[in-house]
Amino acid sequence: SAVISQKPSRDICQRGTSLTIQCQVDSQVTMMFWYRQQPGQSLTLIATANQGSEATYESGFVIDKFPISRPNLTFSTLTVSNMSPEDSSIYLCSAGVGLNTEAFFGQGTRLTVV
Amino acid sequence: GENVEQHPSTLSVQEGDSAVIKCTYSDSASNYFPWYKQELGKGPQLIIDIRSNVGEKKDQRIAVTLNKTAKHFSLHITETQPEDSAVYFCAAGLPNSGGSNYKLTFGKGTLLTVNP
Repeated sequence: SAVISQKPSRDICQRGTSLTIQCQVDSQVTMMFWYRQQPGQSLTLIATANQGSEATYESGFVIDKFPISRPNLTFSTLTVSNMSPEDSSIYLCSAGVGLNTEAFFGQGTRLTVV
Repeated sequence: GENVEQHPSTLSVQEGDSAVIKCTYSDSASNYFPWYKQELGKGPQLIIDIRSNVGEKKDQRIAVTLNKTAKHFSLHITETQPEDSAVYFCAAGLPNSGGSNYKLTFGKGTLLTVNP
């Protein structure tokens, strides 16, 4: 299994500002995933963060709004840029150890934009 | 892309009863089906998973069944306890083009309430 830590656990931000969320895994993993979970809703994949290459974004998500860094095999960041109240969500980091193995999640970052 | 439907959206049972949550998926290439439990304020926790070469898998009070022909899979919880109360998500996994981890598509979730 993998232990995934996210920081911050929650934040309240002003509209128009940006927030960077950090995700640390206790093992080396090839892929890390970022999800958004809007209040009372399911998880939607934002992008896959690959070490050594650009992140791969899902339909409806763009790099300018959600830039991602993946500097090494245990760490990734997601930035939510130029925030609006519609960005208020839980943002979750996920990773799996090994080829086609189960995915584990961090505890999430609860973001409120005012 | 993959589409996962999950039913029911809410489920209330008495302690000791069984609970069943059902999911269907659309992409026949999906071959990995995990179930997650999410308690309030926490991230999803993997509770059981099944791969397409297996029809059923059990872990104590939890079991998952898969019917690849019909493209549906179900979670069964027996002898439910109040601590089983949570939101449960099913997901369908497609092998990622990078060959590392599955790309997961989630159902909308089921709020399970177990009444003492």
